Amino acid sequence: QVQLRESGPGLVKPSETLSLTCTVSGGSIDSYYWSWIRQPPGKGLEWIGYIFYTGSTNYNPSLKSRLTLSIDTSKNQFSLHLSSVTAADTAIYYCARQPVLAYNYFDPWGQGTLVIVSS
Amino acid sequence: DIVMTQSPDSLAVSLGERATISCKSSQSVLYSSVNKNFLAWYQQKPGQPPKLLINWASTRESGVPDRFSGSGSGTDFTLTISSLQAEDVAVYYCQQHYSTPLTFGGGTKVEIK
Repeated sequence: QVQLRESGPGLVKPSETLSLTCTVSGGSIDSYYWSWIRQPPGKGLEWIGYIFYTGSTNYNPSLKSRLTLSIDTSKNQFSLHLSSVTAADTAIYYCARQPVLAYNYFDPWGQGTLVIVSS
Repeated sequence: DIVMTQSPDSLAVSLGERATISCKSSQSVLYSSVNKNFLAWYQQKPGQPPKLLINWASTRESGVPDRFSGSGSGTDFTLTISSLQAEDVAVYYCQQHYSTPLTFGGGTKVEIK
């Protein structure tokens, strides 16, 4: 059974780059799309973007100018880099798998990691 | 972007009673060539990530109790919990996966009355 786990700093300073990694276990990262989704504390869900195992990406236009997703199939990991962060980027960040090729729903999800943007 | 609007924001239902949540999309999420509605429902319990409950508007995922059901087509969808149990206390989200950017409804919090 595939499991996902997010890792990275829990505190990032304004204007710096937020970097997170999602490690996939119990299955291969190959042949799937992988997404990042975030949730400000007490609020709703926002899709950030997805990456295919080949490296092709699709970003939410609202974040596209600041966002880079990457993937390392040898480590079964994919990563998020969000530049020039502000307090509005404070959120729980989840990684998730899109379980069927070409269909963009999410299952399973990682447990999430809280990232606070503050000086 | 497809805007997903859920209602109500919250509802309190007695144990054993029915809970009904509405989700409306700003444009149709019915892909006519495959006759499928690209609409999913998730359940998020406190301190946990969302869990996929229902996909294609009405198909329950494996292991999801049959008191959960989804209905609707096009732009109007409903999630029904036929007999609310204590473990169903959660926030429920709809999500369209018809087109990117993928978007979620604002969530509906279900509580016990």
